[in-house]
Amino acid sequence: AQSVSQHNHHVILSEAASLELGCNYSYGGTVNLFWYVQYPGQHLQLLLKYFSGDPLVKGIKGFEAEFIKSKFSFNLRKPSVQWSDTAEYFCAVIANSGGYQKVTFGIGTKLQVIP
Amino acid sequence: DAGVTQSPTHLIKTRGQHVTLRCSPISGHKSVSWYQQVLGQGPQFIFQYYEKEERGRGNFPDRFSARQFPNYSSELNVNALLLGDSALYLCASSLGVAPETQYFGPGTRLLVL
Repeated sequence: AQSVSQHNHHVILSEAASLELGCNYSYGGTVNLFWYVQYPGQHLQLLLKYFSGDPLVKGIKGFEAEFIKSKFSFNLRKPSVQWSDTAEYFCAVIANSGGYQKVTFGIGTKLQVIP
Repeated sequence: DAGVTQSPTHLIKTRGQHVTLRCSPISGHKSVSWYQQVLGQGPQFIFQYYEKEERGRGNFPDRFSARQFPNYSSELNVNALLLGDSALYLCASSLGVAPETQYFGPGTRLLVL
């Protein structure tokens, strides 16, 4: 069965600290990987995505993620966080089999950035 | 442009009742997906519809059903409500099926008493 694991459920960082949020998935076939973010009081919105090609993808607001196929991982990084990055971050996998889709989200990581 | 809209925003039902939730996608988007988000969890995929056909299904019982209309709007129906169905129900729209970026609506918060 397809699954997504986010290892850090709650992360607290000071401003300017570096961020890395882990995401591991289990699925034997081709996957498409996403990171979504939910700022307080707002909808889920796309941060970045990986479909194919360069495994290092850049998203909005200085975020990037690296797809490592051998490790089934898609970790999210940011060199220097800001207070405005306080939000909940979700990793998601979409697998497509015969034109039929299965979408799986991780449990989410709450990031709190302290000024 | 208007984003994904959902109605109602909040709903209170009792066990055993039926509920219908509605979603209007972003203009030009032909695919709608439904998710259930329980407090403290990530969204759980329920259905995806594209051009009025089911194109994806999660692990939910048959009490959950959905449909998509010619104007690409969609309804999620839940029969015989249980307390455990209390959750935020999210709708997301995308241009096509996969792989596509999904744009999420604000959700409908359902409370089952």
